[in-house]
Amino acid sequence: DARVTQTPRHKVTEMGQEVTMRCQPILGHNTVFWYRQTMMQGLELLAYFRNRAPLDDSGMPKDRFSAEMPDATLATLKIQPSEPRDSAVYFCASGLVVLSDGSYEQYFGPGTRLTVT
Amino acid sequence: AQSVAQPEDQVNVAEGNPLTVKCTYSVSGNPYLFWYVQYPNRGLQFLLKYITGDNLVKGSYGFEAEFNKSQTSFHLKKPSALVSDSALYFCAVSSRPGRRALTFGSGTRLQVQP
Repeated sequence: DARVTQTPRHKVTEMGQEVTMRCQPILGHNTVFWYRQTMMQGLELLAYFRNRAPLDDSGMPKDRFSAEMPDATLATLKIQPSEPRDSAVYFCASGLVVLSDGSYEQYFGPGTRLTVT
Repeated sequence: AQSVAQPEDQVNVAEGNPLTVKCTYSVSGNPYLFWYVQYPNRGLQFLLKYITGDNLVKGSYGFEAEFNKSQTSFHLKKPSALVSDSALYFCAVSSRPGRRALTFGSGTRLQVQP
């Protein structure tokens, strides 16, 4: 049963530290998304990639956040420096986009729960 | 621009009763509509989608959703609720899901009482 995996599942860090979250999309999926979920803001799209190229990262604070896909099996989301307001659950999702009919489904990972103190 | 509204933060229903979770959308062009469910400490799971065709879409776990173009709605329904259906439900829309990311609603918490 193919799944999106995310590491770490939980991360507690101090303000100012660098945080790196990793995601392994489902093999063969060509689109990867990063979301952030908080009680106040709900589910927010941070960035997404198609065939490893960034398509949209307008939801991401550029001064401290960065997202990359060094290869097809790994996506990373980095926060440097981290701040308490970054505390949230970060989800990665992957999907196979078929442009001919535009349909696809997103498969979500279990999330990384980040706490910045 | 595309947007989704889930007007109810929480829906309470007794086990065995029918349930409805409401969703309305705004999008330019034809909508592609989705429902996802999130259980505690888990990621979102796909339930069902509407792309085209029959307005009544059937999905996982006995859920279905009805697309109503005139009311721009895509309500999630189930004829008989189970306690295990208690979770957070998200509606999502895109005008061009291959080229534009989904926009998710704020979520509706479904509580099914035994």
